[in-house]
Amino acid sequence: KAGVTQTPRYLIKTRGQQVTLSCSPISGHRSVSWYQQTPGQGLQFLFEYFSETQRNKGNFPGRFSGRQFSNSRSEMNVSTLELGDSALYLCASSLLAESYNEQFFGPGTRLTVL
Amino acid sequence: AQSVSQHNHHVILSEAASLELGCNYSYGGTVNLFWYVQYPGQHLQLLLKYFSGDPLVKGIKGFEAEFIKSKFSFNLRKPSVQWSDTAEYFCAGGSGNTGKLIFGQGTTLQVKP
Repeated sequence: KAGVTQTPRYLIKTRGQQVTLSCSPISGHRSVSWYQQTPGQGLQFLFEYFSETQRNKGNFPGRFSGRQFSNSRSEMNVSTLELGDSALYLCASSLLAESYNEQFFGPGTRLTVL
Repeated sequence: AQSVSQHNHHVILSEAASLELGCNYSYGGTVNLFWYVQYPGQHLQLLLKYFSGDPLVKGIKGFEAEFIKSKFSFNLRKPSVQWSDTAEYFCAGGSGNTGKLIFGQGTTLQVKP
């Protein structure tokens, strides 16, 4: 079956702009989580959605937001981009929002902020 | 605060050497632990996980890990590494009815042929 897909794969923006990243989970998966990966901070949890509801949010400023649609697809938005937002943004899906469930990761969106 | 830490940041081994990567977690309650691997240019993929039962967990590609509750540890082991094991390895922890994972900083493993 198809894996988690993320679009776009690469993105270049300038400071102050906003960006929207998209994630399509594996068919049948209802939980979607987002992570930011940087060389300095590693993998950090952004937020988690289940059945269109945000269940958890990580320690990121309000400029980072997200949503989930009825078909479980998810988007995350970053407004007023800063240089430090340059990172690989990973989306992961799982069948249920339980911690013992395996999360399947997508290839990520590489965001570069100039 | 919940945290997961990995002791080794960069490990270099020769083929056929044994591997052990350290992972410690710092939180209570229900503990679910994972090891993920990221091969060069590929997605993160699950190696193995522990959520209950036998503390010795076997995963894919000959990897295993042991959950030692008294030491808050979940170390990854492989008796004989191959060049193809060159990758970045992440330990992660989860708890309760949430999909939130807390990741360690990662360990880059380089296996020399």
